[in-house]
Amino acid sequence: GQNIDQPTEMTATEGAIVQINCTYQTSGFNGLFWYQQHAGEAPTFLSYNVLDGLEEKGRFSSFLSRSKGYSYLLLKELQMKDSASYLCAVEDYGQNFVFGPGTRLSVLP
Amino acid sequence: ETGVTQTPRHLVMGMTNKKSLKCEQHLGHNAMYWYKQSAKKPLELMFVYSLEERVENNSVPSRFSPECPNSSHLFLHLHTLQPEDSALYLCASSQDTASYEQYFGPGTRLTVT
Repeated sequence: GQNIDQPTEMTATEGAIVQINCTYQTSGFNGLFWYQQHAGEAPTFLSYNVLDGLEEKGRFSSFLSRSKGYSYLLLKELQMKDSASYLCAVEDYGQNFVFGPGTRLSVLP
Repeated sequence: ETGVTQTPRHLVMGMTNKKSLKCEQHLGHNAMYWYKQSAKKPLELMFVYSLEERVENNSVPSRFSPECPNSSHLFLHLHTLQPEDSALYLCASSQDTASYEQYFGPGTRLTVT
């Protein structure tokens, strides 16, 4: 079956670094996405990984290990505005998107 | 401004009503999507259209009926909904279905009474 796991909630301090993990089991793999979603708003695309390794984009980085079915999103220099839900999603061979439950990150002053 | 607009932003309807959600994208994209987000549940993909043809239907109940008259407009027709259909309905578009970056509209908050 299709399954994506993420921690439900995380808390971190402003200025710190936080890593949000995602593990997946899907029927095929065509890429992994991370989205940021603030409460009551639409998701915003953050990153896309299809090859193993680290992709860096400003304060955000995303890592993928296809052999382990594992990814993480790394957020550096946390800001209060980074408080949001972070969604991990996998596209399988049928171009179906499977979304994880989301990780609600709270950034404290 | 994301280039994807949705109307209405909020909708309250009874179970016997018929209503439609509208999505319009101004990005020249060829693919459009309907998503449903219920409270405490992952985002669910409902429908995918590519060049006005439906290419994906993730076992959505027939009380939801999509329509894509052209590549810029997407509708979701609703009839005889259930209270559990109350959710945020999001529209998105991408250059094509192979493009990994989707642009989301602001969503329509639907409440079924």
